[in-house]
Amino acid sequence: DAGVIQSPRHEVTEMGQEVTLRCKPISGHDYLFWYRQTMMRGLELLIYFNNNVPIDDSGMPEDRFSAKMPNASFSTLKIQPSEPRDSAVYFCASSWLGAGRNEQFFGPGTRLTVL
Amino acid sequence: AQSVAQPEDQVNVAEGNPLTVKCTYSVSGNPYLFWYVQYPNRGLQFLLKYITGDNLVKGSYGFEAEFNKSQTSFHLKKPSALVSDSALYFCAVRDGDYGGSQGNLIFGKGTKLSVKP
Repeated sequence: DAGVIQSPRHEVTEMGQEVTLRCKPISGHDYLFWYRQTMMRGLELLIYFNNNVPIDDSGMPEDRFSAKMPNASFSTLKIQPSEPRDSAVYFCASSWLGAGRNEQFFGPGTRLTVL
Repeated sequence: AQSVAQPEDQVNVAEGNPLTVKCTYSVSGNPYLFWYVQYPNRGLQFLLKYITGDNLVKGSYGFEAEFNKSQTSFHLKKPSALVSDSALYFCAVRDGDYGGSQGNLIFGKGTKLSVKP
């Protein structure tokens, strides 16, 4: 398996622009997580899905952030409009609770810079 | 509420010496415990986990961790550190008895391990 795939790997945009981050989870996994990592705040859970349904979005910082999972193999995290304080590394992770598995598998991340 | 504490922001070790990265947790039910490692400009990689069974868990790259229920700890250890072990280490926990939020892990803030030659 190719693991969790994220695109783009790097994104540089200007304040006010819309940004869309993409994630393909590992095939067969039924949980998908979006995290944000910064030096100041560390690793923060933004939202997670189970079987394509959002379960907990309490970590989403503002209404400017939205996430969707239209099917089991694809999810997006959108920021509209983007602000400089959104600059961070965004990780997607997936997991499967079957057969006693619990660990999450992380993608390589998208480094977002908002100028 | 579930929580994880990694009391040290940074741990410095000489190559060849044993290393310990500390983690304590708080959950209402049975803890499921995890260690992850993050190398620069990479995502988190799973190292090892404790779900049930033997309190000493062995994982990747020669790492091991010991579950101590009375001290609510799950410290990461390695007998002989390598320079290549230098990275950011995260402890994570979830409540194995909690039916809701089954997939969610609570992560610590991370400990930076620096191994000097």
